[in-house]
Amino acid sequence: GAVVSQHPSWVICKSGTSVKIECRSLDFQATTMFWYRQFPKQSLMLMATSNEGSKATYEQGVEKDKFLINHASLTLSTLTVTSAHPEDSSFYICSVWEGNTEAFFGQGTRLTVV
Amino acid sequence: GQNIDQPTEMTATEGAIVQINCTYQTSGFNGLFWYQQHAGEAPTFLSYNVLDGLEEKGRFSSFLSRSKGYSYLLLKELQMKDSASYLCAAMDSNYQLIWGAGTKLIIKP
Repeated sequence: GAVVSQHPSWVICKSGTSVKIECRSLDFQATTMFWYRQFPKQSLMLMATSNEGSKATYEQGVEKDKFLINHASLTLSTLTVTSAHPEDSSFYICSVWEGNTEAFFGQGTRLTVV
Repeated sequence: GQNIDQPTEMTATEGAIVQINCTYQTSGFNGLFWYQQHAGEAPTFLSYNVLDGLEEKGRFSSFLSRSKGYSYLLLKELQMKDSASYLCAAMDSNYQLIWGAGTKLIIKP
């Protein structure tokens, strides 16, 4: 199955700064990648669908100007949390689909904004 | 609306069997997934059911009844390392995953 590498695994940043999270598909060309956010004891929430070579599709309620997604190649998507605030502290996970029957997840990034 | 229900927490004994239930309501249906998630880690794929019946994979089995909007994950010969959250997710007609909040499984010696 697909191997997905996400970096960094955890990051602490100051309020007002920006943080970039990378998601790489190591052995699979992914035209589409998905970004999720998970708050403690809650389910995964899809934030956006990242499309290679075009604009990302954001879910309702997710600010596209705050969560910048770039999918410049078939193996790399990045999520940049701009002007981060403490309420953005969460676990961010990317995933890619192999066919329509299995999703592979990155290791996740735990963001803490202080 | 679309909805997934699963118990918040379950406790079982090492070596025993546990069944985690999941009910779903989605706009269309393209399959039911189970994932395992250890604390602080990303989910890992366990099973996928799209047809009614039981799918067995080692110590883990997953069952689906589309008419009842119901699935369960069965874990046999429980080991301490099975302590984790188990996420149920249904895929709707647009191939979007609708996620449950997860069932935290606590294994006691």
